Amino acid sequence: GESVGLHLPTLSVQEGDNSIINCAYSNSASDYFIWYKQESGKGPQFIIDIRSNMDKRQGQRVTVLLNKTVKHLSLQIAATQPGDSAVYFCAENTEGNKLVFGAGTILRVKS
Amino acid sequence: NAGVTQTPKFRILKIGQSMTLQCAQDMNHNYMYWYRQDPGMGLKLIYYSVGAGITDKGEVPNGYNVSRSTTEDFPLRLELAAPSQTSVYFCASSPPGNTEAFFGQGTRLTVV
Repeated sequence: GESVGLHLPTLSVQEGDNSIINCAYSNSASDYFIWYKQESGKGPQFIIDIRSNMDKRQGQRVTVLLNKTVKHLSLQIAATQPGDSAVYFCAENTEGNKLVFGAGTILRVKS
Repeated sequence: NAGVTQTPKFRILKIGQSMTLQCAQDMNHNYMYWYRQDPGMGLKLIYYSVGAGITDKGEVPNGYNVSRSTTEDFPLRLELAAPSQTSVYFCASSPPGNTEAFFGQGTRLTVV
């Protein structure tokens, strides 16, 4: 079946350091993999996506890496800031825009 | 531009009662979704729709029903509320060929 899971439930980083959030997935047929950020009391917000035929995609301060061999996805945040503190979810887009989420990682940024 | 609007924001139900969670989007998006998020957990897909008149089950559809009579609206119906349905419910929408889903602010439901 389809499932998306995360390795680390909580990640604490020092302000200014880089953060790496990991995700494992099981559905090889997914078209896209996406990262969302959820702040307390709010709905998730889109960060960045990567198509299944790509290995790497960069955005503003964020980079997503996709390793299809081991079915692993990661989100790298450069120069982490206090405003980056949130829960981060990976998700996969499959079967015609069926969007399935993983369990989430809490990112805590220490000042 | 309101985006995705969910009502109500909060609701307390007694066991066995029924209610409809409303979701409306004004972005003319074809795809709409309903998720539930239990405390400290991820989002579980309940139902989704790829367009008016079409709905499909997600990961956890039991105890819920949906309809999609218009592009704008995607209500979620709970017929016999149970304590296990206590959760925060999120509605989302996205345009075809675009992975960016836009979420509403959520409905916090407590069943007692």
